[in-house]
Amino acid sequence: GAGVSQSPRYKVAKRGQDVALRCDPISGHVSLFWYQQALGQGPEFLTYFQNEAQLDKSGLPSDRFFAERPEGSVSTLKIQRTQQEDSAVYLCASRDKSSYNEQFFGPGTRLTVL
Amino acid sequence: QKEVEQDPGPLSVPEGAIVSLNCTYSNSAFQYFMWYRQYSRKGPELLMYTYSSGNKEDGRFTAQVDKSSKYISLFIRDSQPSDSATYLCAMSAHQAGTALIFGKGTTLSVSS
Repeated sequence: GAGVSQSPRYKVAKRGQDVALRCDPISGHVSLFWYQQALGQGPEFLTYFQNEAQLDKSGLPSDRFFAERPEGSVSTLKIQRTQQEDSAVYLCASRDKSSYNEQFFGPGTRLTVL
Repeated sequence: QKEVEQDPGPLSVPEGAIVSLNCTYSNSAFQYFMWYRQYSRKGPELLMYTYSSGNKEDGRFTAQVDKSSKYISLFIRDSQPSDSATYLCAMSAHQAGTALIFGKGTTLSVSS
């Protein structure tokens, strides 16, 4: 079946603009994670959903970052008033409730803030 | 000090070589250990998964976990040019519903 998809694949924003990044998880996967990967670094956790409930948002770096998954499938990560330090690849991952902690990653959205 | 330390390399080896990749960690609560491979401009894909200490083998890949030393390794035998990628170690304290803590990743280049 189809894997995790993300859109857009690339986004260029001017500093101060708001952006919205979309994640379509694997059908039926109840868990959804967002990670931020800076250049030359490993992914860092941002937030976690189980179905529509956001159970952990401890990794969100500031209140400019907001994530939602209103119907328990598609998720959107929104960044308000983007700053240059927000430039990174944003990765989405999903997990089947019956599996061990294998998280399937999407290709990511590369955000560049000018 | 980060929870997971991984030498970023780069590591360059000739085709057919045995490759050893390593991570150390500080959190003794970690029980689930994974190795992901990430090609350029792609998302990470899971290679190996190990619970607690011990070895696990899958084809040319062997993962080792030594919890007493807080040290994990990935060995690649008979390395191929297609193995050229960044290898990320990841770990978590619980099986489900928790974030993975990643190392920085080691960039591997296998030349033919």
